[in-house]
Amino acid sequence: ILNVEQSPQSLHVQEGDSTNFTCSFPSSNFYALHWYRWETAKSPEALFVMTLNGDEKKKGRISATLNTKEGYSYLYIKGSQPEDSATYLCGNYGQNFVFGPGTRLSVLP
Amino acid sequence: DSGVTQTPKHLITATGQRVTLRCSPRSGDLSVYWYQQSLDQGLQFLIHYYNGEERAKGNILERFSAQQFPDLHSELNLSSLELGDSALYFCASSVYSGRANEQFFGPGTRLTVL
Repeated sequence: ILNVEQSPQSLHVQEGDSTNFTCSFPSSNFYALHWYRWETAKSPEALFVMTLNGDEKKKGRISATLNTKEGYSYLYIKGSQPEDSATYLCGNYGQNFVFGPGTRLSVLP
Repeated sequence: DSGVTQTPKHLITATGQRVTLRCSPRSGDLSVYWYQQSLDQGLQFLIHYYNGEERAKGNILERFSAQQFPDLHSELNLSSLELGDSALYFCASSVYSGRANEQFFGPGTRLTVL
């Protein structure tokens, strides 16, 4: 994988559902994996920065894992709320900073 | 409010012109990053400065240049503007120079080239 890829492109879930997204990056050009939350008409907001293989981070109902050997990270949201609706962006800061296209999450009340 | 300020908020100009976008980082932050978000390209990293020195360069066009001044504010200069340069330009800052530093984004400058 030369670029950063994210799946799915978009996701619609019901309030209370748990969900997860995937970020894939080139393991040969990795230093730090960043996750951002980006609400419409606002600026990206940092969620996590991870560097170590096997790293797991948590912030409230949101958590993330990292596998640097196979080049992927998962972002989990437990018990989704309407205010979680946003685009979730991951970026790999290797030689330079490359972002994925984002996963757009809509949480329906 | 992240503490990062960007001016102007909006800028409308014509093709061929030159503009300067300004960014003031959060108090105490030494790194500044510039990003471009256009409709069809997503968020693109342009350049990273740390304490006045260039640290990393992304897909920044030769018509674009940036610098970070001794007071740590940064300017992004865009010249010979083309219609395709219309985009939202974000600045972000972080405390240190490392690639694993959490970045704080400003509100962005929306550039429209007519």
